[in-house]
Amino acid sequence: RKEVEQDPGPFNVPEGATVAFNCTYSNSASQSFFWYRQDCRKEPKLLMSVYSSGNEDGRFTAQLNRASQYISLLIRDSKLSDSATYLCVVEMSGGYQKVTFGIGTKLQVIP
Amino acid sequence: GAGVSQSPSNKVTEKGKDVELRCDPISGHTALYWYRQSLGQGLEFLIYFQGNSAPDKSGLPSDRFSAERTGGSVSTLTIQRTQQEDSAVYLCASSLDGVATEAFFGQGTRLTVV
Repeated sequence: RKEVEQDPGPFNVPEGATVAFNCTYSNSASQSFFWYRQDCRKEPKLLMSVYSSGNEDGRFTAQLNRASQYISLLIRDSKLSDSATYLCVVEMSGGYQKVTFGIGTKLQVIP
Repeated sequence: GAGVSQSPSNKVTEKGKDVELRCDPISGHTALYWYRQSLGQGLEFLIYFQGNSAPDKSGLPSDRFSAERTGGSVSTLTIQRTQQEDSAVYLCASSLDGVATEAFFGQGTRLTVV
């Protein structure tokens, strides 16, 4: 089983729609979680950290479910500019902080 | 510069040649990561540095790949006897201390082996 698993998509959604992505991780010792965004042919950039209590940043909501070992990203009122690949990132301690990226979920927002 | 800098931005090399890829992390960042991304694929972890030490080299795909970091700053990734399957974008990232902190990526080196 992969350490971090994501549905690669693509998810094609109309403008204004709400879309949610899940990401599962295999190591229960994982400590920190993030969502990164990667635009086509660009480098990944941090979108938001994921906190145990859940957190919201504008139209974006991230949640963590430790019992089921998954994190989620919800995007409300999708914009054309949200089209990108969303990477789930899990950090665990193993004598050092190991950061593992998921394969990414591709989102295409359609006019 | 303020960000992570990688050079060259593009490299075309002949099969069998050696290549060196360079990464200048953000000043003061102790953690440095190398990843590889093939077209349409996710990020493949290669190696992680904390300071000059590499506690995790598990992602290096073969003994043709090696990396070093000197002075806790610049890192070079060397690929010997390049093969066509080595063609990919090689991304470097750095973070303040590698602990629950944002990783900043360079723009990558696009390597093409012909």
